[in-house]
Amino acid sequence: DTEVTQTPKHLVMGMTNKKSLKCEQHMGHRAMYWYKQKAKKPPELMFVYSYEKLSINESVPSRFSPECPNSSLLNLHLHALQPEDSALYLCASSQDRGVKTNEKLFFGSGTQLSVL
Amino acid sequence: GNSVTQMEGPVTLSEEAFLTINCTYTATGYPSLFWYVQYPGEGLQLLLKATKADDKGSNKGFEATYRKETTSFHLEKGSVQVSDSAVYFCALSDSNYQLIWGAGTKLIIKP
Repeated sequence: DTEVTQTPKHLVMGMTNKKSLKCEQHMGHRAMYWYKQKAKKPPELMFVYSYEKLSINESVPSRFSPECPNSSLLNLHLHALQPEDSALYLCASSQDRGVKTNEKLFFGSGTQLSVL
Repeated sequence: GNSVTQMEGPVTLSEEAFLTINCTYTATGYPSLFWYVQYPGEGLQLLLKATKADDKGSNKGFEATYRKETTSFHLEKGSVQVSDSAVYFCALSDSNYQLIWGAGTKLIIKP
């Protein structure tokens, strides 16, 4: 199994809603990532988890809250989002976090989020 | 700081044409270089990589050579297919183990 699975594929939410994005991998990878991608732009790194601990937070607003319940799962909890947060949210994983492991990130297909 | 510059798109070609997508970089040290591809409605996939100068990465008929003297990593394919239509991202890994991405180049192949 060389897949990163993200659910849901599409999500529409109001600014007062609370929702969660889920990501799962069964490749034994110990690093997992959240990226945000606006249309026609490259992905922007949001968070990195290494061995289930948050190792990088790229100054992301607190309305985005990541969680790594175990080595296979990564969640992104959303609360009080703004319309400008509408984007494709991509999860990725790699064997480990480091120069060597940046040689290959495995990406999920993403969750297309629309905030109304 | 580190950066990656790609040619602006979209690039539109006919099937079986020769493809070049230019990528140049600015970096300290010796970064690894990558091409990722994003098909419509999907996440990104690693297409090929090179980890040191003069390395050639290749996959699915695509090739790119790590040129330190020109700080370039141009993507080439001898004969493109409609199925190659996608957005292509050049990237490098920096000393902080992060990927620095180019802006992406949309490729459109017409039958």
